[in-house]
Amino acid sequence: QSALTQPASVSGSPGQSITISCTGTSNDVGSSNLVSWYQQHPDKAPKLIIYDVTKRPSGVSNRFSGSKSGNTASLTISGLQAEDEADYYCCSYVGSIVFGTGAKVTVL
Amino acid sequence: QVQLVQSGAEVKKPGSSVKVSCKASGGTFSSYTISWVRQAPGQGLEWMGRIIPMLGIANYAQKFRGRATISADKLTSSAYMELNSLRSEDTAVYYCARDPLESLGVFDIWGLGTMVTVSS
Repeated sequence: QSALTQPASVSGSPGQSITISCTGTSNDVGSSNLVSWYQQHPDKAPKLIIYDVTKRPSGVSNRFSGSKSGNTASLTISGLQAEDEADYYCCSYVGSIVFGTGAKVTVL
Repeated sequence: QVQLVQSGAEVKKPGSSVKVSCKASGGTFSSYTISWVRQAPGQGLEWMGRIIPMLGIANYAQKFRGRATISADKLTSSAYMELNSLRSEDTAVYYCARDPLESLGVFDIWGLGTMVTVSS
């Protein structure tokens, strides 16, 4: 199972919205509603921020939202804040769990 | 609130084995699976495999079949990941993470990670 493809880096200014893509195939992202997203700050464990494509765990800011179209899932961060600077990973399940390649978000 | 408490850092020689533990503090493993995810320095997350502690059933990513063994002790709410035939490329932080039985890839609680260094 190959890793899902994410852009290496995404940047934006405070207050802006950014979108991180996660591209798979019709065998994983395209055929599954089991897509989740994780935020990871340096030297910290990942944190779940989106699951089942669009759902947010309790306590996660509503500035984070998820969507999917075809073989690509997306994470949108609105009202970008300095604390959002981190690495973001998508994750999907089709027979086996696979993570995305990771995207580094920089707040300019 | 349940916490996953992992064992301490390890330094191992190439060819040897390592066994990392993960204990649920403040709760149990009932209704959850425990996965192991590793992250090499400066690299991304890599899922290794998981276990349903209540049933003792484990499955693995293809890459780790035959070299990794995931086990659990439901009485102590502990899970273990043993990796054999270590090589330098296995140097990584190893995380355990909890995933509800009714979902897959929804890791809502993570351990802090165990650094495993493979060096001669």
